[in-house]
Amino acid sequence: SQQGEEDPQALSIQEGENATMNCSYKTSINNLQWYRQNSGRGLVHLILIRSNEREKHSGRLRVTLDTSKKSSSLLITASRAADTASYFCATDSDKLIFGTGTRLQVFP
Amino acid sequence: GAVVSQHPSRVICKSGTSVKIECRSLDFQATTMFWYRQFPKQSLMLMATSNEGSKATYEQGVEKDKFLINHASLTLSTLTVTSAHPEDSSFYICSADRGTDTQYFGPGTRLTVL
Repeated sequence: SQQGEEDPQALSIQEGENATMNCSYKTSINNLQWYRQNSGRGLVHLILIRSNEREKHSGRLRVTLDTSKKSSSLLITASRAADTASYFCATDSDKLIFGTGTRLQVFP
Repeated sequence: GAVVSQHPSRVICKSGTSVKIECRSLDFQATTMFWYRQFPKQSLMLMATSNEGSKATYEQGVEKDKFLINHASLTLSTLTVTSAHPEDSSFYICSADRGTDTQYFGPGTRLTVL
């Protein structure tokens, strides 16, 4: 399977804490993207990092990419209850291949 | 901008019937749209790539005669699940490509086949 792996599968934290999710993939990529999905809803694009970039920031989000290890991480700082959702990485070669996802629960 | 809609949001049908799901890009033209399937608590699996004016490209293991895709215009792609069975019950999500690296996703359609 080309599908990427994410860990942890589930993560529960308190508001204010940081949440880190990791993604590993198998093939060479053009870019890697992170998406968020609230339960039973569509996906919201969070951030895109290109294969020649190592780190990218957007608000409380920080994404890293290590192409030598074929891995990426998403850090959400100062989490809020509203961050509760599933987070997916997706690698883009000629099509998007989604990872298995991390279910994040942030308790108030 | 970059809004994608899907209709219907939920559909319940009897086994053996066909169901059509529409995906529309509301404020941009999309030469390419994608159809994904998602089972509960699982990831999205790409089913097919829909190209305006040409035949869809199906992923391995996806039956093209069962999941009919029509991309008749630059703003509309339809997925028809033919002769639906309970195992086809799933969350179907479309996305549209506006020529950038980012796909814009619809809100999804939950199909339940009784």
